[in-house]
Amino acid sequence: GNSVTQMEGPVTLSEEAFLTINCTYTATGYPSLFWYVQYPGEGLQLLLKATKADDKGSNKGFEATYRKETTSFHLEKGSVQVSDSAVYFCALPSSGSARQLTFGSGTQLTVLP
Amino acid sequence: EAGVAQSPRYKIIEKRQSVAFWCNPISGHATLYWYQQILGQGPKLLIQFQNNGVVDDSQLPKDRFSAERLKGVDSTLKIQPAKLEDSAVYLCASSLSSGLHEQYFGPGTRLTVT
Repeated sequence: GNSVTQMEGPVTLSEEAFLTINCTYTATGYPSLFWYVQYPGEGLQLLLKATKADDKGSNKGFEATYRKETTSFHLEKGSVQVSDSAVYFCALPSSGSARQLTFGSGTQLTVLP
Repeated sequence: EAGVAQSPRYKIIEKRQSVAFWCNPISGHATLYWYQQILGQGPKLLIQFQNNGVVDDSQLPKDRFSAERLKGVDSTLKIQPAKLEDSAVYLCASSLSSGLHEQYFGPGTRLTVT
C-alpha cells in the first residue's frame, strides 16, 4: 500500500538557517502529497499540498516540489524562525481510499534564537 | 469558522478503567475521523465516519474501543477497559465529502494510563 518515509529527527537549527526535511513516498499512480505541521499542544494543520507531478506547494515561506522521478516531496524553507518550531508530517492518500491519509512518523524541528 | 472541538484535553486513568472522548467537527463536515497518535509517531486512523455511518473501522481494536456518531455531527470514542499501551493523543479530524483529502484536526486529548 501507499507509504511515506520521513527523515528522522530531531532537527535543531539556528534562526535564519536553511531547512530541508526529506520525504519519499511509495504509491500506485501519482496521488496528491501533503505536509502537515503540529505546533506544541495543538492538532495537525495542513501546511501545503501538491496535487500532481512537478507541482510546487507553498505556504508561510515553506515549499515542496512533487518529484515523480525521485518519488520525493522534500520540505524546504530558506530562513527559519523560532515560531517554526513544531513537528512536520508528510502524508499521502491511503491505498484504496479517496478520503484517508497515511502519515509519516514526523520530524521534530527546533529553531534556536 | 469554528474549528474542530475536542474534550477533555487531558485525562489520566488507571489501567482497566474506562474513558470517553468527545469531538465536535466543523459545521457541515460530513466525514469524521478518529486517530491515535503515540509519542514519536504519526497519527494512525482508528475509525472513519461518513455522516452517522462507519466507513472504515478496520484498525479499531473492537474488543476495547468503540465509537459512535449517532446524529451525524458529534462523536464519542470510548475505551473500556484501558491498557497501558493506550497512552497516546487521540485526535479527531473532519472534512467535507470530497476527494480533496484536506482534513481539519482538533487539538487532541492526551490520555495517560497508569
